[in-house]
Amino acid sequence: SQTIHQWPATLVQPVGSPLSLECTVEGTSNPNLYWYRQAAGRGLQLLFYSVGIGQISSEVPQNLSASRPQDRQFILSSKKLLLSDSGFYLCAWSVRGATNEKLFFGSGTQLSVL
Amino acid sequence: KQEVTQIPAALSVPEGENLVLNCSFTDSAIYNLQWFRQDPGKGLTSLLLIQSSQREQTSGRLNASLDKSSGRSTLYIAASQPGDSATYLCAVPVSGNTPLVFGKGTRLSVIA
Repeated sequence: SQTIHQWPATLVQPVGSPLSLECTVEGTSNPNLYWYRQAAGRGLQLLFYSVGIGQISSEVPQNLSASRPQDRQFILSSKKLLLSDSGFYLCAWSVRGATNEKLFFGSGTQLSVL
Repeated sequence: KQEVTQIPAALSVPEGENLVLNCSFTDSAIYNLQWFRQDPGKGLTSLLLIQSSQREQTSGRLNASLDKSSGRSTLYIAASQPGDSATYLCAVPVSGNTPLVFGKGTRLSVIA
């Protein structure tokens, strides 16, 4: 069966510090991968999605970046965090190329930038 | 640009009551619509996926309907239980199947 791992679960970082959140998927190949952010009082916002290694689409201009060094690994990074980067970050995957497949989420990372 | 709206934002009901959550979307050219559940501080769990050719999907006490032409979906929960308390989100694809655009959710509280 497929599983998605996301870590860390919680993170407290000072403004200006770097960030690296990692997500890995097991039990499937060639997945679509996504990073979403959920800020307090706001909806789920798509940040990045990837349909293959090295293929990253950015949905929102910001100081965050994403990379996909391996087929089932998706990394969210920042060189210098801002206060506005605080939020709940969720990684997700779906079957590539399918027209009616569910989206599966990781357990999330609660990031607090102080 | 696809926009998803969920009404109400919050709902509190006594245990045992049947309830309906509403979702509307602006672009009806969708492949499917998904309903998710999110518990506080947790990730999202997919509840139901309705394909664009379908009118409804059922899973246990949950029934989701889709009226693609009018851009609406409803999630019906029968005989609500305290364990149903969570935030329910609906989502539709931006284009084709992925990626998904989410509504802000309906926060449901079922009181014992």
